[in-house]
Parts: sequence; C-alpha cells; structure tokens
Amino acid sequence: GAVVSQHPSRVICKSGTSVKIECRSLDFQATTMFWYRQFPKQSLMLMATSNEGSKATYEQGVEKDKFLINHASLTLSTLTVTSAHPEDSSFYICSAPVGARGTDTQYFGPGTRLTVL
Amino acid sequence: GENVEQHPSTLSVQEGDSAVIKCTYSDSASNYFPWYKQELGKGPQLIIDIRSNVGEKKDQRIAVTLNKTAKHFSLHITETQPEDSAVYFCAGAGNMLTFGGGTRLMVKP
Repeated sequence: GAVVSQHPSRVICKSGTSVKIECRSLDFQATTMFWYRQFPKQSLMLMATSNEGSKATYEQGVEKDKFLINHASLTLSTLTVTSAHPEDSSFYICSAPVGARGTDTQYFGPGTRLTVL
Repeated sequence: GENVEQHPSTLSVQEGDSAVIKCTYSDSASNYFPWYKQELGKGPQLIIDIRSNVGEKKDQRIAVTLNKTAKHFSLHITETQPEDSAVYFCAGAGNMLTFGGGTRLMVKP
C-alpha cells in the first residue's frame, strides 16, 4: 500500500508555544489530506480536510485559528497547533487518500503524540 | 451525516479461535467500508476494505461481509494469533470517512 509519514513522532512543549506537525505522502500525490485527533481509548475524530492550493475545511467545533493547516504541495500538509495548552495534548494522525474522494482508499500516517506541559 | 456503530467494544478469544466484529451504518449512500488495525502508539493500518458492489471479500485469514439492505458489515478473523491483538476500527464512507468506536481484540495464547 501507499506510505504516509509524519514528523515528529512525539513532541513535548511548554504551554503557550506553537507546534508544527508535518504529513507527507511518500509515493503518491495527494490533493487532499485529512487530520484526525485521537484521545486515549477513543476513536478517531476528524478535525479538518486539507486541500492543496486552497483553504482547509474544518469540522464543526474545531477552531481554525487554533489549528492552522497548510497544504503547500501535492505531498505535504502541515498542522500547526498555536498557543498550545495542556488540553491540546493528544495523538494527532493524518491520512491521505489515493484520489480525492472520500471513497478512495485512505492511508494513515504513524501519528504524532503531543504533550503540552 | 453518517453514523457508524461498532460492537463489541472489547473481545477476548483463545488463540486459534475465530473473532467477529460487527458494524452498522446509517447513510444508505455510503458505498465504501474499510477496516483498520491500530496497534498501541501507532497509526491505523488498512487491513481490508469492501465496496458496495461486492457482498464478501477475503484475504487469507481475514474476511469482510457487507449487507447493504440491512446496512451492516462484519470483519471475520479466523485462526487468530497473539499478533492479531490490537484495536480494530470499521469505517463507512460516502463523502467522508466515518469511524466506528473501535474494538479491542485480545488473543490469549
């Protein structure tokens, strides 16, 4: 299957700082990427859809000024958690479909564990 | 929007036994149903998927069945092994992927 990478795999930061997470499709191009958040022992919650060359689409309840998304190229999307607070601590996972439709096969990155002190 | 429910939330089986996880969905327009395996601290890994024009699909010890009329689909794992222990998520997709709540499978040696 296709490969999606994320960097960093884990990050610890102080409250009030910003953290950037990168998501890359390594062997295919992705005009669309998705960002999920997962709390311990819970399912994946879609935060936003990242669109190459246009603004991201955020799910209801997700603050777009808090979670900045930039889809700079066909293989890279970044999520920046701005002014992070302890409640932002979570497991962040990106995915990329091979295609642009929700029904195209999606491959997930390995996730980024964010801990805000 | 789509709502996907998954049962059971935990499942414990003896090595060599079969495991079955069931999901129901609400949106009749959904036509793609993947299953993901997630190990602790890792991202979900696609293990099998099925599309609405197919009723059953099999890949070695893993099979998925789909009943569009009843709006439910199931994952079947035969001859379970300890390395099958993980959290399994079903999902349904029309425009977007919607995940079930997950099933923690424990295979006892």
